Amino acid sequence: EAQVTQNPRYLITVTGKKLTVTCSQNMNHEYMSWYRQDPGLGLRQIYYSMNVEVTDKGDVPEGYKVSRKEKRNFPLILESPSPNQTSLYFCASSLGPGRDQETQYFGPGTRLLVL
Amino acid sequence: RKEVEQDPGPFNVPEGATVAFNCTYSNSASQSFFWYRQDCRKEPKLLMSVYSSGNEDGRFTAQLNRASQYISLLIRDSKLSDSATYLCGTGGGNKLTFGTGTQLKVEL
Repeated sequence: EAQVTQNPRYLITVTGKKLTVTCSQNMNHEYMSWYRQDPGLGLRQIYYSMNVEVTDKGDVPEGYKVSRKEKRNFPLILESPSPNQTSLYFCASSLGPGRDQETQYFGPGTRLLVL
Repeated sequence: RKEVEQDPGPFNVPEGATVAFNCTYSNSASQSFFWYRQDCRKEPKLLMSVYSSGNEDGRFTAQLNRASQYISLLIRDSKLSDSATYLCGTGGGNKLTFGTGTQLKVEL
């Protein structure tokens, strides 16, 4: 089954404790992105990657890191989480550029609470 | 001004009604347009892409108006199961920008 998976799905942590949220897709997509979703603010892009070892900042990258060492995986790293990073996080992937290839497929989401 | 704007609603409509949502975008260079459906903080799922010629999928019709920079979604004969939040997305290349979503509640 074609899908995007994320782990963990739920996470409660404390300020300053490094964490990683994994994302994996089995569709051989080139593009992958991370978004956060907050009430009243909608989905905002954190980072994106156009291919292995190619990443760039989205709209709200502060406090986050990513890496793309393999095509299928795109982990999101919070080196020192803070309470304002409490949010619902989605990973997404798409085939690549081009009108019919830009549809983004989302993972199930990770609910993060930083105390 | 937000890059993509939607009326947050909620739109409360009776079953069987026709309802329409609009979404305005500010980036005239946007090339791709989508409507996504999101249920209760689950992941957004693609409802339909939106093309210049418009497209229809069953009870759902999407239109793009480049001159006025908006996209629309029309739902005919609404069902209880259509209750959800509808997100519009616009962009090109590596980035989609989403609106905050319009909440639809279909009632008996």
